[in-house]
Amino acid sequence: AQSVTQLDSQVPVFEEAPVELRCNYSSSVSVYLFWYVQYPNQGLQLLLKYLSGSTLVKGINGFEAEFNKSQTSFHLRKPSVHISDTAEYFCAVSERVTGGGNKLTFGTGTQLKVEL
Amino acid sequence: DGGITQSPKYLFRKEGQNVTLSCEQNLNHDAMYWYRQDPGQGLRLIYYSQIVNDFQKGDIAEGYSVSREKKESFPLTVTSAQKNPTAFYLCASSMRSGRGETQYFGPGTRLLVL
Repeated sequence: AQSVTQLDSQVPVFEEAPVELRCNYSSSVSVYLFWYVQYPNQGLQLLLKYLSGSTLVKGINGFEAEFNKSQTSFHLRKPSVHISDTAEYFCAVSERVTGGGNKLTFGTGTQLKVEL
Repeated sequence: DGGITQSPKYLFRKEGQNVTLSCEQNLNHDAMYWYRQDPGQGLRLIYYSQIVNDFQKGDIAEGYSVSREKKESFPLTVTSAQKNPTAFYLCASSMRSGRGETQYFGPGTRLLVL
């Protein structure tokens, strides 16, 4: 089974500063990776995903992530955060499951808190 | 508007009671999923369905049951056998169940035990 590690449970940052949220995965085969954002008491919204091709993936709200196969990482970055970016961010990997189909395996999440 | 709806937003369960969480989608998606979210643990898959009249257990299916009689509906029942049901429950759907498919999430139902 694949796993995803988000080492930072909380990341505080000042508004307009850059931020990086770290994600490492465990897999020796091809991977499909996702970043989702969750605002308080809401569902998850897709920020971006990596399937293949360019290792730099651009998403919504100015976020981007870089797939690094040698370091098994998929870190999320934003050059200048806004107060509205305060939310929880989840990294996930897609894997096949018994009986067919696929599932997302999520990391434990990183709470981004943007301060004025 | 296309999307996924979950109801109710909050649900209270008494000891020994079964409760059912509703999930409806009008995206014409084949695959649907139920996740449980606990603080600090991320999301864990309870059940998923690739197509109507078919579903499979996920990682934490014990104490839960589902049905998929219609393409747009995937209700989750939390039975009395689930001893720790307090959590945030999220329903999701995707066009198909392929590895690269984006899953779209509903707004969630928070289940609390009285």
